[in-house]
This record gives sequence, structure tokens and C-alpha cells, in this order.
Amino acid sequence: GENVEQHPSTLSVQEGDSAVIKCTYSDSASNYFPWYKQELGKGPQLIIDIRSNVGEKKDQRIAVTLNKTAKHFSLHITETQPEDSAVYFCAAPRGDNFNKFYFGSGTKLNVKP
Amino acid sequence: NAGVTQTPKFQVLKTGQSMTLQCAQDMNHNSMYWYRQDPGMGLRLIYYSASEGTTDKGEVPNGYNVSRLNKREFSLRLESAAPSQTSVYFCASNGQLGNSPLHFGNGTRLTVT
Repeated sequence: GENVEQHPSTLSVQEGDSAVIKCTYSDSASNYFPWYKQELGKGPQLIIDIRSNVGEKKDQRIAVTLNKTAKHFSLHITETQPEDSAVYFCAAPRGDNFNKFYFGSGTKLNVKP
Repeated sequence: NAGVTQTPKFQVLKTGQSMTLQCAQDMNHNSMYWYRQDPGMGLRLIYYSASEGTTDKGEVPNGYNVSRLNKREFSLRLESAAPSQTSVYFCASNGQLGNSPLHFGNGTRLTVT
């Protein structure tokens, strides 16, 4: 079945530095790859997503890259700020059932002021 | 728009007690989901409802039942709670058959003693 692996589990950066989180997936039929940010005590919230027909998507300081051949996708945050501190999750749907999303185990990002 | 609303926010049960977690969305979404979140394990799908009148099992359905009461509401029932069901439960919805962003509620933190 689908398996999504996410690394690293924790990441600490200095304010202003960049942060990169990577995910790999196993189902070659997956074609939609969202990233969620979860703040303490709240539900995950979508921050960016990418579909399999493009290799990169940017939204201000956040970007996602996708390598379908290697089956991995990455979240890039530039010029990090303390408010970026949160837990980030990647996800991918099963190719045979797009209702079934598999989530990575999460990355706790700490941005030090 | 309130988005996805979950009640209650917190609950403590004794082993063997039953309870129902409520979820409602006001975005006219077709699909609704129940996930559980445990430390270091990301989000795991319990049950989902692709459309009003249908429900299907996810990764971890044992010990749970669901009801899609109407298009807006999707409830999760624990008939006989067990300590292994101590977790944070999230309801989510999206507008299409997968391949679109999930909108999450803020969760129910359940402790079973």
C-alpha cells in the first residue's frame, strides 16, 4: 500500500535561514501532493500543494518541488520567521482511491529568533 | 463561514464507556473524513464518506462506527472505549473525490482511562 516517509522529524534553523523538508511516496499513481502546517492546538491547514503535471510551485516564501521519477517532493521555506515554527505534514493520495490520503509523520520546525 | 466544526474539544472517558464525536462543515463539500493523530505517527484515516449516504473504512477502523447524517454532518462513535483510543481526533472535508485540499477542524482530544 501507499507509504509516505518524511524527513527530518525535527528541524531547527536560525531566523532568516532556509528550511527544507522532504517526503517520499511509493504509489506511482499518486498525482496530488499537499503540504499542511499545524500549529499547537489546531488542525492542519493547507499551505501549498502541487499536482503531478508540474515540477515546482511557489507562493511567496514557500515552494514545493516534485520529482515524479524519484517519487519525492520537498517543501522549501525561505527567509524563515518565528511564526513559521509549527509541525509540517506532507501527504499523498492512493492512486486507486483518491479519498485515501496517506500522511507523513510530521516535521517539527523551530525557527530561533 | 465557520469551516469545519468539531465538538467536543476535550473528553475523558472510562474504559467501556461510549461517546459520539460530532462534526459539521458549511462549505457544501461532498467528502468528509475522520482521522486520528498520535505522537510520531502523523494522521491516520479511520473512516471516510465520499458522498452523502456512503461510508467506507480507512486504515484504522476497528472500534469505531460512523454516520453521515446529511451532507453537512459526519459523526464518529466509539461504542466501548479502550485506552488505545486515547488520541486527538480530526474531522476534515473536501469538495471533490480526493485530489483537493482537506479542510480540518480543530480536533477533539480524547483520553480513555
